[in-house]
Amino acid sequence: QQQVKQSPQSLIVQKGGISIINCAYENTAFDYFPWYQQFPGKGPALLIAIRPDVSEKKEGRFTISFNKSAKQFSLHIMDSQPGDSATYFCAASMGWTGANNLFFGTGTRLTVIP
Amino acid sequence: SAVISQKPSRDICQRGTSLTIQCQVDSQVTMMFWYRQQPGQSLTLIATANQGSEATYESGFVIDKFPISRPNLTFSTLTVSNLSPEDSSIYLCSVVGRANTGELFFGEGSRLTVL
Repeated sequence: QQQVKQSPQSLIVQKGGISIINCAYENTAFDYFPWYQQFPGKGPALLIAIRPDVSEKKEGRFTISFNKSAKQFSLHIMDSQPGDSATYFCAASMGWTGANNLFFGTGTRLTVIP
Repeated sequence: SAVISQKPSRDICQRGTSLTIQCQVDSQVTMMFWYRQQPGQSLTLIATANQGSEATYESGFVIDKFPISRPNLTFSTLTVSNLSPEDSSIYLCSVVGRANTGELFFGEGSRLTVL
Protein backbone atom coordinates (compact mmCIF):
# COMPACT_ATOMS: atom_id res chain seq x y z
CA GLN A 1 0.00 0.00 0.00
CA GLN A 2 1.41 3.33 -1.09
CA GLN A 3 1.49 5.58 1.96
CA VAL A 4 2.08 8.73 -0.08
CA LYS A 5 0.47 9.17 -3.48
CA GLN A 6 2.16 11.55 -5.90
CA SER A 7 1.02 13.04 -9.19
CA PRO A 8 1.66 13.63 -11.99
CA GLN A 9 4.19 11.00 -12.98
CA SER A 10 5.75 13.40 -15.47
CA LEU A 11 5.42 17.09 -16.15
CA ILE A 12 6.59 19.34 -18.96
CA VAL A 13 6.65 23.08 -18.34
CA GLN A 14 7.85 26.01 -20.37
CA LYS A 15 10.66 28.12 -19.00
CA GLY A 16 9.21 30.79 -16.74
CA GLY A 17 6.09 28.80 -16.01
CA ILE A 18 4.85 27.33 -12.73
CA SER A 19 5.42 23.66 -11.99
CA ILE A 20 3.01 22.04 -9.55
CA ILE A 21 3.41 18.57 -8.08
CA ASN A 22 0.80 17.12 -5.75
CA CYS A 23 0.94 14.55 -2.97
CA ALA A 24 -1.70 13.02 -0.75
CA TYR A 25 -1.56 10.86 2.35
CA GLU A 26 -3.96 9.07 4.68
CA ASN A 27 -2.02 8.63 7.91
CA THR A 28 -2.70 11.62 10.16
CA ALA A 29 0.28 10.65 12.33
CA PHE A 30 2.67 12.01 9.71
CA ASP A 31 4.42 15.07 11.12
CA TYR A 32 7.16 15.93 8.63
CA PHE A 33 6.81 16.35 4.88
CA PRO A 34 10.05 16.74 2.90
CA TRP A 35 10.56 17.10 -0.82
CA TYR A 36 13.61 15.60 -2.48
CA GLN A 37 15.13 16.58 -5.82
CA GLN A 38 17.12 14.07 -7.85
CA PHE A 39 19.19 14.92 -10.91
CA PRO A 40 20.16 12.14 -13.32
CA GLY A 41 23.10 10.15 -12.01
CA LYS A 42 22.86 11.68 -8.56
CA GLY A 43 21.28 10.71 -5.28
CA PRO A 44 18.20 12.54 -4.02
CA ALA A 45 18.81 15.73 -2.05
CA LEU A 46 16.49 17.47 0.36
CA LEU A 47 14.92 20.49 -1.32
CA ILE A 48 12.42 21.84 1.18
CA ALA A 49 10.31 20.48 4.02
CA ILE A 50 7.28 21.44 6.08
CA ARG A 51 5.62 20.47 9.33
CA PRO A 52 1.82 20.37 9.62
CA ASP A 53 1.61 23.36 11.94
CA VAL A 54 2.02 25.75 8.99
CA SER A 55 0.12 25.93 5.71
CA GLU A 56 2.92 27.21 3.52
CA LYS A 57 6.68 27.37 3.38
CA LYS A 58 8.65 29.26 0.80
CA GLU A 59 12.33 29.05 -0.05
CA GLY A 60 13.26 31.09 -3.08
CA ARG A 61 11.27 29.87 -6.06
CA PHE A 62 10.11 26.75 -4.23
CA THR A 63 6.96 26.71 -2.11
CA ILE A 64 5.23 23.91 -0.25
CA SER A 65 1.50 24.35 0.26
CA PHE A 66 0.02 22.15 2.97
CA ASN A 67 -3.67 21.37 3.49
CA LYS A 68 -4.00 19.42 6.71
CA SER A 69 -7.77 18.87 6.48
CA ALA A 70 -7.49 17.51 2.94
CA LYS A 71 -4.32 15.55 3.78
CA GLN A 72 -2.60 16.98 0.75
CA PHE A 73 0.56 18.92 0.10
CA SER A 74 2.09 20.26 -3.05
CA LEU A 75 5.31 21.69 -4.39
CA HIS A 76 5.16 24.82 -6.51
CA ILE A 77 8.17 25.90 -8.55
CA MET A 78 7.78 29.47 -9.69
CA ASP A 79 9.60 30.81 -12.76
CA SER A 80 10.67 27.28 -13.67
CA GLN A 81 14.10 26.99 -15.26
CA PRO A 82 15.74 24.30 -17.40
CA GLY A 83 18.07 23.67 -14.46
CA ASP A 84 15.04 22.57 -12.44
CA SER A 85 14.63 19.57 -14.72
CA ALA A 86 14.88 16.63 -12.34
CA THR A 87 12.81 14.00 -10.58
CA TYR A 88 10.99 15.22 -7.49
CA PHE A 89 9.90 12.97 -4.64
CA CYS A 90 7.53 13.94 -1.89
CA ALA A 91 7.77 12.07 1.37
CA ALA A 92 6.22 11.86 4.81
CA SER A 93 7.49 10.65 8.15
CA MET A 94 6.02 10.18 11.59
CA GLY A 95 7.84 10.34 14.88
CA TRP A 96 11.19 9.81 13.24
CA THR A 97 13.05 6.81 14.64
CA GLY A 98 14.66 5.72 11.41
CA ALA A 99 14.21 5.50 7.67
CA ASN A 100 11.54 2.83 8.11
CA ASN A 101 9.29 5.70 9.19
CA LEU A 102 9.91 7.71 6.02
CA PHE A 103 7.63 7.03 3.07
CA PHE A 104 8.37 8.29 -0.42
CA GLY A 105 5.99 9.10 -3.23
CA THR A 106 6.52 7.54 -6.63
CA GLY A 107 8.28 10.58 -8.08
CA THR A 108 7.58 13.20 -10.75
CA ARG A 109 9.92 13.71 -13.65
CA LEU A 110 9.93 17.43 -14.45
CA THR A 111 11.19 18.73 -17.76
CA VAL A 112 11.47 22.48 -18.24
CA ILE A 113 11.65 23.45 -21.89
CA PRO A 114 13.79 26.49 -22.77
CA SER B 1 25.96 17.93 5.79
CA ALA B 2 27.47 14.52 5.28
CA VAL B 3 29.49 13.52 2.22
CA ILE B 4 28.77 9.99 1.12
CA SER B 5 30.92 8.09 -1.35
CA GLN B 6 29.70 4.94 -3.02
CA LYS B 7 31.64 2.41 -5.05
CA PRO B 8 31.21 1.24 -7.71
CA SER B 9 29.20 3.96 -9.40
CA ARG B 10 28.01 1.41 -11.94
CA ASP B 11 28.64 -2.19 -12.86
CA ILE B 12 27.43 -4.84 -15.26
CA CYS B 13 27.25 -8.33 -13.80
CA GLN B 14 26.37 -11.78 -15.00
CA ARG B 15 23.40 -13.69 -13.70
CA GLY B 16 24.23 -15.79 -10.65
CA THR B 17 27.17 -13.71 -9.48
CA SER B 18 27.28 -11.21 -6.60
CA LEU B 19 28.11 -7.54 -6.33
CA THR B 20 29.33 -5.74 -3.23
CA ILE B 21 28.68 -2.02 -2.94
CA GLN B 22 30.72 0.10 -0.58
CA CYS B 23 29.51 3.21 1.24
CA GLN B 24 31.90 5.59 3.00
CA VAL B 25 30.72 8.57 5.06
CA ASP B 26 32.93 11.48 6.05
CA SER B 27 31.60 11.53 9.62
CA GLN B 28 30.58 8.98 12.22
CA VAL B 29 26.93 8.04 12.06
CA THR B 30 24.84 5.62 14.08
CA MET B 31 22.50 4.47 11.35
CA MET B 32 23.15 3.91 7.67
CA PHE B 33 20.37 3.01 5.26
CA TRP B 34 20.36 1.10 2.02
CA TYR B 35 17.75 1.88 -0.62
CA ARG B 36 16.85 0.39 -3.96
CA GLN B 37 15.56 2.53 -6.80
CA GLN B 38 14.24 0.50 -9.71
CA PRO B 39 14.03 2.20 -13.10
CA GLY B 40 11.42 4.95 -13.04
CA GLN B 41 10.30 3.98 -9.58
CA SER B 42 10.43 5.31 -6.07
CA LEU B 43 12.92 4.68 -3.31
CA THR B 44 12.47 1.44 -1.40
CA LEU B 45 14.24 0.90 1.90
CA ILE B 46 16.14 -2.39 1.95
CA ALA B 47 17.63 -2.31 5.43
CA THR B 48 19.08 -0.25 8.25
CA ALA B 49 22.70 -0.96 9.13
CA ASN B 50 23.72 -0.30 12.72
CA GLN B 51 27.30 -0.59 13.85
CA GLY B 52 27.85 -3.55 16.12
CA SER B 53 24.57 -5.30 15.46
CA GLU B 54 22.73 -7.17 12.75
CA ALA B 55 21.10 -5.12 10.04
CA THR B 56 17.35 -4.68 10.20
CA TYR B 57 15.64 -5.70 6.97
CA GLU B 58 12.37 -4.42 5.60
CA SER B 59 9.58 -6.66 4.45
CA GLY B 60 10.49 -8.39 1.21
CA PHE B 61 14.26 -8.23 1.75
CA VAL B 62 16.28 -11.01 3.35
CA ILE B 63 19.81 -11.27 4.65
CA ASP B 64 20.73 -14.18 2.37
CA LYS B 65 20.02 -12.06 -0.69
CA PHE B 66 21.26 -8.71 0.66
CA PRO B 67 23.95 -9.31 3.29
CA ILE B 68 25.16 -6.11 4.92
CA SER B 69 28.29 -5.35 6.87
CA ARG B 70 28.84 -2.39 9.18
CA PRO B 71 32.35 -2.69 10.60
CA ASN B 72 32.58 0.87 11.94
CA LEU B 73 30.70 4.15 12.22
CA THR B 74 31.75 5.47 8.80
CA PHE B 75 31.52 2.45 6.50
CA SER B 76 29.05 -0.14 5.28
CA THR B 77 28.75 -2.63 2.46
CA LEU B 78 25.71 -4.10 0.75
CA THR B 79 26.07 -7.29 -1.24
CA VAL B 80 23.47 -8.30 -3.78
CA SER B 81 23.77 -12.06 -4.12
CA ASN B 82 22.81 -14.59 -6.77
CA LEU B 83 22.03 -11.84 -9.23
CA SER B 84 19.11 -11.96 -11.63
CA PRO B 85 17.99 -9.37 -14.18
CA GLU B 86 15.30 -8.27 -11.70
CA ASP B 87 18.08 -6.97 -9.45
CA SER B 88 19.00 -4.34 -12.05
CA SER B 89 18.51 -1.13 -10.09
CA ILE B 90 20.24 1.79 -8.51
CA TYR B 91 21.33 1.09 -4.96
CA LEU B 92 21.67 4.08 -2.67
CA CYS B 93 23.34 4.52 0.68
CA SER B 94 22.01 7.21 3.00
CA VAL B 95 22.45 8.66 6.47
CA VAL B 96 20.38 10.91 8.68
CA GLY B 97 20.66 14.65 8.23
CA ARG B 98 19.11 16.57 11.05
CA ALA B 99 18.09 14.36 13.94
CA ASN B 100 14.43 13.48 14.45
CA THR B 101 13.36 14.50 10.97
CA GLY B 102 12.87 12.80 7.64
CA GLU B 103 15.97 14.47 6.25
CA LEU B 104 18.42 12.06 4.68
CA PHE B 105 21.69 12.55 2.85
CA PHE B 106 22.19 10.17 -0.06
CA GLY B 107 25.18 8.90 -1.92
CA GLU B 108 25.19 9.17 -5.70
CA GLY B 109 24.12 5.58 -6.07
CA SER B 110 25.46 2.44 -7.65
CA ARG B 111 23.80 1.46 -10.90
CA LEU B 112 23.69 -2.30 -11.34
CA THR B 113 22.83 -4.00 -14.61
CA VAL B 114 22.46 -7.77 -14.59
CA LEU B 115 22.70 -9.59 -17.91
